[in-house]
Amino acid sequence: QLVLTQSPSASASLGASVKLTCTLSSGHSSYAIAWHQQQSQKGPRYLMKINSDGSHSKGDGIPDRFSGSSSGTQRYLTISSLQSEDEADYYCQTWGTGKGVFGGGTKLTVL
Amino acid sequence: EVQLVQSGAEVKKPGESLRISCKGSGYSFTSYWITWVRQVPGKGLEWMGRIDPTDSYTNYSPSFRGHVTFSADKSISTAFLQWNTLKASDTAMYYCAGGVGTIAFWGQGTLVTVSS
Repeated sequence: QLVLTQSPSASASLGASVKLTCTLSSGHSSYAIAWHQQQSQKGPRYLMKINSDGSHSKGDGIPDRFSGSSSGTQRYLTISSLQSEDEADYYCQTWGTGKGVFGGGTKLTVL
Repeated sequence: EVQLVQSGAEVKKPGESLRISCKGSGYSFTSYWITWVRQVPGKGLEWMGRIDPTDSYTNYSPSFRGHVTFSADKSISTAFLQWNTLKASDTAMYYCAGGVGTIAFWGQGTLVTVSS
């Protein structure tokens, strides 16, 4: 069964870096995922797509501070030089064999 | 600019029907699927299903199959989400999104409130 798992929360200090993780269920290590950001009271925004080989393609206007990587069934979103506006919910999403799925989301707090 | 523009907020009573829309612009409408996503207030994103505007082929999440219907009119670059019988539990924000497999862009959302 295709499932995406995310930690419910994360925190890091202003100006620091944070690495968020999205874990694919066993047997789905070849799947690409997309990361989306949702700031408070706003709609989601596409950040990037990450392939199983770690290559990624970012959405228009996404700052260089946002990067992605991959290892096995894990897909990562790294945000460097954290700013206050990075405080948001982050969701990963994928698709396979007629089914789409979202992770439960990670709430990022910038201290 | 690639854009999805959704219809405005709706307030309905239980048992009523509703159709909301999602109009694409700035790209070839048949190049990307339209995915529908529900977000109950205070909760996460739920994948409802998707439609391919090329041929109107659909996939529905088991959680929504039989309760909603997706359609698309490629001549006007618009996708639709329809309910025949609304329930109070359908109260949520509904987003359309574009992409093939993974989502690459989003509409602004349509708030649907179902209350007697």
